[in-house]
Amino acid sequence: EAQVTQNPRYLITVTGKKLTVTCSQNMNHEYMSWYRQDPGLGLRQIYYSMNVEVTDKGDVPEGYKVSRKEKRNFPLILESPSPNQTSLYFCASSPTGSGRYNEQFFGPGTRLTVL
Amino acid sequence: AQKITQTQPGMFVQEKEAVTLDCTYDTSDQSYGLFWYKQPSSGEMIFLIYQGSYDEQNATEGRYSLNFQKARKSANLVISASQLGDSAMYFCAMREDPNTGNQFYFGTGTSLTVIP
Repeated sequence: EAQVTQNPRYLITVTGKKLTVTCSQNMNHEYMSWYRQDPGLGLRQIYYSMNVEVTDKGDVPEGYKVSRKEKRNFPLILESPSPNQTSLYFCASSPTGSGRYNEQFFGPGTRLTVL
Repeated sequence: AQKITQTQPGMFVQEKEAVTLDCTYDTSDQSYGLFWYKQPSSGEMIFLIYQGSYDEQNATEGRYSLNFQKARKSANLVISASQLGDSAMYFCAMREDPNTGNQFYFGTGTSLTVIP
């Protein structure tokens, strides 16, 4: 089954404790991305990657890191989480190119709470 | 400036009626893509419909259609014959020309409630 998986689905942590949210896709997509969703703000892009070893900042990259060492994986790293990073996080992937192929496939989401 | 604007935080529609969810966008690119996603209360993001900037006809997918007015930079979603299962958050999104940037932009969403 074609899918994007994220782990963990739920996480409660404390300020300053480094954490990683994993994201993996099995569709051989070049493009992968991380979003955070907050009430009233919609989805905001954190980082995206066009391919292996190529990453770029989105609109809200502060406090986050990413890496793309393999095509299928795109982990999100919070080195020193703070309460304002409490949010719902989505990973997504899509093939590159124009037209319908730009559709993004989303993971199930990770709900993160930082105390 | 907001790239995607959805001005209706919440909407109500009677079951079996049609409803239009508004979306305006801001870009100077000639080539771009517009998307609508549905997010039910369970939280997953479901792709609904896509419109390319060069597509001459409005996109349709079953009960969903996209009213694309390029000169006005609007991409409204029309849901015909609303069903109770259509109650959800709806997000409009845009991807600009990959030659100029590779970001996706989402609006703040519209919460649709279908009334029996």
